[in-house]
Amino acid sequence: DAMVIQNPRYQVTQFGKPVTLSCSQTLNHNVMYWYQQKSSQAPKLLFHYYDKDFNNEADTPDNFQSRRPNTSFCFLDIRSPGLGDAAMYLCATSAASGEDTQYFGPGTRLTVL
Amino acid sequence: KQEVTQIPAALSVPEGENLVLNCSFTDSAIYNLQWFRQDPGKGLTSLLLIQSSQREQTSGRLNASLDKSSGRSTLYIAASQPGDSATYLCAVTGGGNKLTFGTGTQLKVEL
Repeated sequence: DAMVIQNPRYQVTQFGKPVTLSCSQTLNHNVMYWYQQKSSQAPKLLFHYYDKDFNNEADTPDNFQSRRPNTSFCFLDIRSPGLGDAAMYLCATSAASGEDTQYFGPGTRLTVL
Repeated sequence: KQEVTQIPAALSVPEGENLVLNCSFTDSAIYNLQWFRQDPGKGLTSLLLIQSSQREQTSGRLNASLDKSSGRSTLYIAASQPGDSATYLCAVTGGGNKLTFGTGTQLKVEL
C-alpha cells in the first residue's frame, strides 16, 4: 500500500511557467519534507512542515514555496522555473522529531524546457 | 555544517560476494543515521535506521554499524545478488529535523 504518494511522477514545464507538485500521505505523520535531488547529487532539503509550522532552509531560493492545507497534503510551488530547477523532487514524512525514520515518496521528475 | 562522505562512489562486484559500504560524517551530534536504497529514477527506500545510542542494526542480509564518536558508519551486504544493484545513500539527522545525505555509492552486482 502506498504511504507517500507524489503526483505527477513526471512533469514537464516551460521556462518561467509556474508549476505545482503534489504530495499526500496515509501515515498521519506530523512532519512533511520537500527535497530537491539533481542528477548524481545528494538530496537537498528545501523546507519542511512540523504540523502547520513552516521551516525554510536558509539557502532555498524564494522561487520555491510550499503549502500544507491539512495533515495529509503538501504542495511544492515553483513560481518561475528556470533550467537549473530541473531535478527530482522528493517528498518525505516522519512521525515527529528527527529521531524518527523518514518515509519517502517515489519522487516527481521535473523537466524545464 | 554537517558533511557526509561516502566511499567508494561506485562499486562493481560478482554475485555472491560480501561487501562493505562506508559513510563518514563530520559532526557527531546526530540523532540517528539511516541507510537508504535508490533505484534509477526512483525515490528512496529506507533500509536501516540506527539511533545515536545504538551500535548496529540488522535486517536480513544487511547489517549497519555506527561509531558516533569517530563519525563513521558501515553497511555490510552479505551474499550480494543482482537485485541489490542500486545506489546506497547514507544520511544523518541533526538538529531541526534536518537530514543530511551523502552522495551515495552506486553498486552493481554482476552475474
